[in-house]
Amino acid sequence: DAKTTQPNSMESNEEEPVHLPCNHSTISGTDYIHWYRQLPSQGPEYVIHGLTSNVNNRMASLAIAEDRKSSTLILHRATLRDAAVYYCILRTLYNFNKFYFGSGTKLNVKP
Amino acid sequence: DTGVSQDPRHKITKRGQNVTFRCDPISEHNRLYWYRQTLGQGPEFLTYFQNEAQLEKSRLLSDRFSAERPKGSFSTLEIQRTEQGDSAMYLCASSAQGAYNQPQHFGDGTRLSIL
Repeated sequence: DAKTTQPNSMESNEEEPVHLPCNHSTISGTDYIHWYRQLPSQGPEYVIHGLTSNVNNRMASLAIAEDRKSSTLILHRATLRDAAVYYCILRTLYNFNKFYFGSGTKLNVKP
Repeated sequence: DTGVSQDPRHKITKRGQNVTFRCDPISEHNRLYWYRQTLGQGPEFLTYFQNEAQLEKSRLLSDRFSAERPKGSFSTLEIQRTEQGDSAMYLCASSAQGAYNQPQHFGDGTRLSIL
């Protein structure tokens, strides 16, 4: 399984930007980078994905390093509802139906 | 879009009993997945269906576990002779046919507690 490395936990203040890092040094050229988050007592929720270029949607932005060995999920203004576990996942071409979630980053947002 | 629905949300049973969970995917999605999540860990892949065909099974899916998707719509996951170690959240997800970067949409899971 393609592996990613994330910090166990991070803390942010409400209404401030949050940058959640992910390392994926063994990424291959066809691997997509996906981010999901899981709020307490809920199933994971899709956030964003990208291949090479930076991506923006209504929830977040994804910044991908030029060598693609790392990426950063950016929440532009954290709210209390953003407190969740964030998972960075590589979606591989040869095994694309099998997600490897890892332990993710638990984000705490302080009011 | 009504989302992925799972039933029941909670199940408490005695060790040795059989349990069955149901998942209703998003209606136009032909791919369906089951995951298991234990406390403090990320979800672990169990099995995957494309339409009614079960195309992949994890080694985590012992012979006490069986999953079906008889008409390519809803799916069931059955655990026979439950054990303490089966206590977990069981998550179902679905995705649309298409490129391999299609996101998976998850239900809120069935929490199984074995007494």
